[in-house]
Amino acid sequence: EAEVAQSPRYKITEKSQAVAFWCDPISGHATLYWYRQILGQGPELLVQFQDESVVDDSQLPKDRFSAERLKGVDSTLKIQPAELGDSAMYLCASSPVDRLAKNIQYFGAGTRLSVL
Amino acid sequence: RKEVEQDPGPFNVPEGATVAFNCTYSNSASQSFFWYRQDCRKEPKLLMSVYSSGNEDGRFTAQLNRASQYISLLIRDSKLSDSATYLCVVTGYGQNFVFGPGTRLSVLP
Repeated sequence: EAEVAQSPRYKITEKSQAVAFWCDPISGHATLYWYRQILGQGPELLVQFQDESVVDDSQLPKDRFSAERLKGVDSTLKIQPAELGDSAMYLCASSPVDRLAKNIQYFGAGTRLSVL
Repeated sequence: RKEVEQDPGPFNVPEGATVAFNCTYSNSASQSFFWYRQDCRKEPKLLMSVYSSGNEDGRFTAQLNRASQYISLLIRDSKLSDSATYLCVVTGYGQNFVFGPGTRLSVLP
């Protein structure tokens, strides 16, 4: 079964350092999402791509976070500088169609970030 | 008011019990509704979509009440393996997906 690949699985960094997360969606999935999930809460959407275009980044803290999907396939999420409050699970998801009525998201295993 | 709210839980139930979770949403224009399951420190996985007429998948039954903006999930004959957090997901104001905070279920032997 095809999977959404994410790396690294775990990342420990010190505050003010830069971190980057990578996601490779299921082949053929046009829509890619990055979520942040704080322990005990539901995932919160950070950014949504349709192919290489950003569809929604209204919740992305743009002073420190950036995301790109240059060729419309894999994607990178960057944080610079990292802050203590950024400690969370960062989840990537992809979906095969852009019509929400049929849209099901498939999640990667996530990257667990700890900022010290 | 949060866009999607769920029973806070945790729910601790014995094996074989029937348990129901509730979810309310604020956007009356929402179109798509889902229940996801998330095991501890794992990624969310789709449990079932929720259709207007209600739908059933084995021991799991989902109901949607658009008038009351309410979704429910019923689990019959609970198994130990059902222990997880159940996330209610709704398309939001921007037609993006909005997750509820989740309800944690522990099925006890």
